[in-house]
Amino acid sequence: KAGVTQTPRYLIKTRGQQVTLSCSPISGHRSVSWYQQTPGQGLQFLFEYFSETQRNKGNFPGRFSGRQFSNSRSEMNVSTLELGDSALYLCASSSPRDRGQNTEAFFGQGTRLTVV
Amino acid sequence: GENVEQHPSTLSVQEGDSAVIKCTYSDSASNYFPWYKQELGKGPQLIIDIRSNVGEKKDQRIAVTLNKTAKHFSLHITETQPEDSAVYFCAASWRGSTLGRLYFGRGTQLTVWP
Repeated sequence: KAGVTQTPRYLIKTRGQQVTLSCSPISGHRSVSWYQQTPGQGLQFLFEYFSETQRNKGNFPGRFSGRQFSNSRSEMNVSTLELGDSALYLCASSSPRDRGQNTEAFFGQGTRLTVV
Repeated sequence: GENVEQHPSTLSVQEGDSAVIKCTYSDSASNYFPWYKQELGKGPQLIIDIRSNVGEKKDQRIAVTLNKTAKHFSLHITETQPEDSAVYFCAASWRGSTLGRLYFGRGTQLTVWP
């Protein structure tokens, strides 16, 4: 069974540009979450999508947005890039089975974004 | 929101020794506690998790314990090997009908010397 796939693996962008990152969850998983990882702040939650609806959002500015498609694939977009947006962006997928059922989150390899 | 503290930030052990990493959480509503291992250049890999209705869980050389009253949980690795060297993250979450948000500790860099 294929794992979580994130593309691209590496990206270099200039300040002020925008970027779109892609995440394909494990087959059958309908929940996708995004995290930002930096040495200074650690792993910070961005947002969570389930069945094409944003269910939860972290404390990030509106420049960070996302969406989920009917096949559960997800994209996140960052507009007007700043130097501080340089980070590893991680996607995690999960398959909630029943209401109240805790399920495991599996992460992809991440997209390393460098803003220059 | 939830606040997860993790200690120590770095840990060095000799091959064959045991390693223990401890985490505390603040929100008594948290009911799911996973541990992740992250190797250089890779995403976090789930290695073990525990739910609030269980006090201890073991998987070969890895075990996790949970004390709900004191709001702390720990990762125990026995008979450490050089390939155990990585950054380990604890996390806490309240899981309802969907995945839920994971609150992570700051990580522990574990180095196992041969």
